[in-house]
Amino acid sequence: NAGVMQNPRHLVRRRGQEARLRCSPMKGHSHVYWYRQLPEEGLKFMVYLQKENIIDESGMPKERFSAEFPKEGPSILRIQQVVRGDSAAYFCASSPRSGNSGANVLTFGAGSRLTVL
Amino acid sequence: AQTVTQSQPEMSVQEAETVTLSCTYDTSENNYYLFWYKQPPSRQMILVIRQEAYKQQNATENRFSVNFQKAAKSFSLKISDSQLGDTAMYFCAFLMNYGGSQGNLIFGKGTKLSVKP
Repeated sequence: NAGVMQNPRHLVRRRGQEARLRCSPMKGHSHVYWYRQLPEEGLKFMVYLQKENIIDESGMPKERFSAEFPKEGPSILRIQQVVRGDSAAYFCASSPRSGNSGANVLTFGAGSRLTVL
Repeated sequence: AQTVTQSQPEMSVQEAETVTLSCTYDTSENNYYLFWYKQPPSRQMILVIRQEAYKQQNATENRFSVNFQKAAKSFSLKISDSQLGDTAMYFCAFLMNYGGSQGNLIFGKGTKLSVKP
């Protein structure tokens, strides 16, 4: 039973380029969350999605960042026109649908480390 | 807004000894969950233990146990018989329970634990 799969593990971009980070949730999980971890900091919530729906994007920067979780395929976190301050580890987590036992427990992927030169 | 505070940026413990990591949180809600996550050098986020706020009994998982003081809004983690593999960053996290809907995890800044041989 594969866990939460994130790729790429490491991504290097130059300022102004686009970054795309992918996340496949655990089998049977329909909720996906994206978190960002800056150096020496805890994780900060960005966005919460279900299939084809954004449920809560209160943690997303207003510009350049977007997320989707299509009916088929992985969830994508997209950062346009990256800047040095976007350098961070981006973690994806998934959970079962609400109402299931354990719905409150998030399983995390190994993270994607973005470096902006 | 909910906040989570970990007042110990770094701690160390001798192998086989016991160590306690502190966490306090602030909320006006009554129904929530608390978690401790471990992040070893691999950066994977690993769930250590969780506590439902409505349960008075402290959660335990093998060598890991918590001291949950709801009135004081305190949630400390005790690691008994420390092992070298326990060396990691430890994050305390808070999750609201919106009556079955999913909230998002709020993390503290972490405590870096070093287990010394």
